[in-house]
Amino acid sequence: DQQVKQNSPSLSVQEGRISILNCDYTNSMFDYFLWYKKYPAEGPTFLISISSIKDKNEDGRFTVFLNKSAKHLSLHIVPSQPGDSAVYFCAASRDSSYKLIFGSGTRLLVRP
Amino acid sequence: GAGVSQSPSNKVTEKGKDVELRCDPISGHTALYWYRQSLGQGLEFLIYFQGNSAPDKSGLPSDRFSAERTGGSVSTLTIQRTQQEDSAVYLCASSLLTKRGYTDTQYFGPGTRLTVL
Repeated sequence: DQQVKQNSPSLSVQEGRISILNCDYTNSMFDYFLWYKKYPAEGPTFLISISSIKDKNEDGRFTVFLNKSAKHLSLHIVPSQPGDSAVYFCAASRDSSYKLIFGSGTRLLVRP
Repeated sequence: GAGVSQSPSNKVTEKGKDVELRCDPISGHTALYWYRQSLGQGLEFLIYFQGNSAPDKSGLPSDRFSAERTGGSVSTLTIQRTQQEDSAVYLCASSLLTKRGYTDTQYFGPGTRLTVL
């Protein structure tokens, strides 16, 4: 029973364009959401997060949107750069706890 | 400062053997986590240590799995009588003190790729 789903295993975009990575969740008790980025042979690194009291959080080229009624969040990267090519995981927690539930990841390829 | 380190980076073992995976957290981080990532899956929480509190072992898949954290720093994940389904990347993370209602950023190590033949 996957509580956090990333239905697109891969995404390819042109450099300079917008990348949109999507994530759906089933547990309405989740109140904190995160995105991690992972390069090959490295551990995931934290990218951006959002609390359920907000619907948008922005950090430079990265923006996360949260739609609680649809139980959906998305990560927008604009403009996309080749160095953004990585696997992106979304994660969620309940009561802002340490126990993160991860999606299966989306592999992003940004073409020069 | 140094990040989270794990050893070995790769481990190949035969079914039925025991393995030990090591994690060195970031200095000063009191919270330590183990996750595993099976092929095509997301990260799966295994166990959480916080200071001197009893660990949260709720994610351990069977009693063949155990972990300890000595001196509040280095941690070892032990898998006894390994099975082929244990093959995965085992990731360790650490964070600063967590408080209820506040999630500290978890910093991950590069992982140990375990292959059970």
